[in-house]
Amino acid sequence: DQQVKQNSPSLSVQEGRISILNCDYTNSMFDYFLWYKKYPAEGPTFLISISSIKDKNEDGRFTVFLNKSAKHLSLHIVPSQPGDSAVYFCAASAEWGGSEKLVFGKGTKLTVNP
Amino acid sequence: GAGVSQTPSNKVTEKGKYVELRCDPISGHTALYWYRQSLGQGPEFLIYFQGTGAADDSGLPNDRFFAVRPEGSVSTLKIQRTERGDSAVYLCASSLGRGPSNTGELFFGEGSRLTVL
Repeated sequence: DQQVKQNSPSLSVQEGRISILNCDYTNSMFDYFLWYKKYPAEGPTFLISISSIKDKNEDGRFTVFLNKSAKHLSLHIVPSQPGDSAVYFCAASAEWGGSEKLVFGKGTKLTVNP
Repeated sequence: GAGVSQTPSNKVTEKGKYVELRCDPISGHTALYWYRQSLGQGPEFLIYFQGTGAADDSGLPNDRFFAVRPEGSVSTLKIQRTERGDSAVYLCASSLGRGPSNTGELFFGEGSRLTVL
């Protein structure tokens, strides 16, 4: 059973507009959430994170929102740029008996059109 | 370099053969993870080391998969009697782990693409 779900496999937006990527999770033990970005033939790179004690974290053009009651988080990119085109993975973490593994969603492929 | 290094970047093997994949983590990172990514999927957890010991190996699919980290730095993922279903990108990541001054994000290598014919 998937604990982290990204229901949109792809998203296409125009340069300069806002990109909104969504993520849902099922396990209430998750207390830390991260977004990773992946280009083809490269490993995922960390983008932004949020702790469960917060509902928003902002870093430049990237903002992550967390709605704990709905078990939902979203990544907003504004303004979107063609270089943002990549696969975005949502990941969640909890401390389970000393393990700090991340559980990933399947990813959303973002295409930003010039 | 300063990042996580994985070798080989590509490995093609025949069904039934033995394969070793190597990971050299970022210096000073005590936590090391192996993930597997199949086409169209997100990274799937395999095993986590804290120092030399495997703290969590719950993601290893079966006993054909084994990983070691004998000196707490470089790790090797070993796959015996490979099957076509093992074909995937194997990702290694390292981390400082959670603490008061860091958030435990993982730093990934570029991966080793394994193809089993």
